[in-house]
Amino acid sequence: GENVEQHPSTLSVQEGDSAVIKCTYSDSASNYFPWYKQELGKRPQLIIDIRSNVGEKKDQRIAVTLNKTAKHFSLHITETQPEDSAVYFCAASTGTGRRALTFGSGTRLQVQP
Amino acid sequence: GAVVSQHPSRVICKSGTSVKIECRSLDFQATTMFWYRQFPKQSLMLMATSNEGSKATYEQGVEKDKFLINHASLTLSTLTVTSAHPEDSSFYICSAVRGNTIYFGEGSWLTVV
Repeated sequence: GENVEQHPSTLSVQEGDSAVIKCTYSDSASNYFPWYKQELGKRPQLIIDIRSNVGEKKDQRIAVTLNKTAKHFSLHITETQPEDSAVYFCAASTGTGRRALTFGSGTRLQVQP
Repeated sequence: GAVVSQHPSRVICKSGTSVKIECRSLDFQATTMFWYRQFPKQSLMLMATSNEGSKATYEQGVEKDKFLINHASLTLSTLTVTSAHPEDSSFYICSAVRGNTIYFGEGSWLTVV
């Protein structure tokens, strides 16, 4: 089955700096890669996703890049703000998202004011 | 509003008893729903795939006789934790797919005392 690895496990940045979180996946059939932000005890909140037919997607301060050959994808947050502090999870799925997700281990991002 | 609703949000039960968690898709039919478990400070792990009108598919290591899944209608899947033990205490969350979008329920905190 799919295996998703995520790094780093914790990340501390100064407000205004950029943050990068990286994930690798094992199943070459995976074609949907969402990123979630989760607050304690709450459901995961989709912040951005990418499908395997594109290499990059951007939404304001958030961007995701995908390298299918290397089987890795990254989340980039620019101009970080204290409210970006949370746990972020990457995930991978086949079936363009209609199937179950395999999650990475999570990254706790702390943005220092 | 919520597209997938989960109930209860929190439940405390005594060791040895059973507890049922409901996951409902609102305003759409979901032939497949997914159940995940998240232990504190850990990632979401797929437990099982719930299929309407047929048996659920369990992930390796998940006891099907302990975690009973019933998907009797196109809008409702239930997870029953039987003979609960303190180690079953966790955050349980379901999801369903509408179109190409994954929707998560609010999650259910289970505490077994």
